[in-house]
Amino acid sequence: LAKTTQPISMDSYEGQEVNITCSHNNIATNDYITWYQQFPSQGPRFIIQGYKTKVTNEVASLFIPADRKSSTLSLPRVSLSDTAVYYCLVARGGGSYIPTFGRGTSLIVHP
Amino acid sequence: EAGVVQSPRYKIIEKKQPVAFWCNPISGHNTLYWYRQNLGQGPELLIRYENEEAVDDSQLPKDRFSAERLKGVDSTLKIQPAELGDSAVYLCASSLEGYGTVRTEAFFGQGTRLTVV
Repeated sequence: LAKTTQPISMDSYEGQEVNITCSHNNIATNDYITWYQQFPSQGPRFIIQGYKTKVTNEVASLFIPADRKSSTLSLPRVSLSDTAVYYCLVARGGGSYIPTFGRGTSLIVHP
Repeated sequence: EAGVVQSPRYKIIEKKQPVAFWCNPISGHNTLYWYRQNLGQGPELLIRYENEEAVDDSQLPKDRFSAERLKGVDSTLKIQPAELGDSAVYLCASSLEGYGTVRTEAFFGQGTRLTVV
């Protein structure tokens, strides 16, 4: 599986847009990119998944360039409740699904 | 629909004592995972089950850790004897395999926080 690299921490303020970028230089053709969110004292929770270009849901947007060597999770107008750790994962499509986590990005949203 | 249920939520034991964690996955999910999460780190896979078969247990310290998934539903993870370094959060997750599709999502329980003193 491709190794992922993302910032250890980020700070933002309420109402701002937050973009967290993840690099996955060795991503394979049939790999998908998935992001999870984890609040303190809870297990990780799926946010969004994509293969290429742009994916948007009610929580976030995911931007993936044509070479797929990186991806950016975009959180619009964050609030204090978005303070969490965000994990970028690369998972093989069509085979056994094994979520493999790195250290993630700790996002702190300030008032 | 109920999510992944784990118990207990917290456990404090003395070193060298045994401890067990229980997990009830989402109904119908054939894949079950156990993870360990140390403070400030991401979850680390310990073992993965496909139905009742352990298909990936390379990261499970087999000298003291054991797991079982009876009838392909509930699962138990045991540590005997516990060591100070085993203090961590133990997470259980489940997912549903769809043949010919991408399994996009694993659902996690709230975890069991183990403290070994």
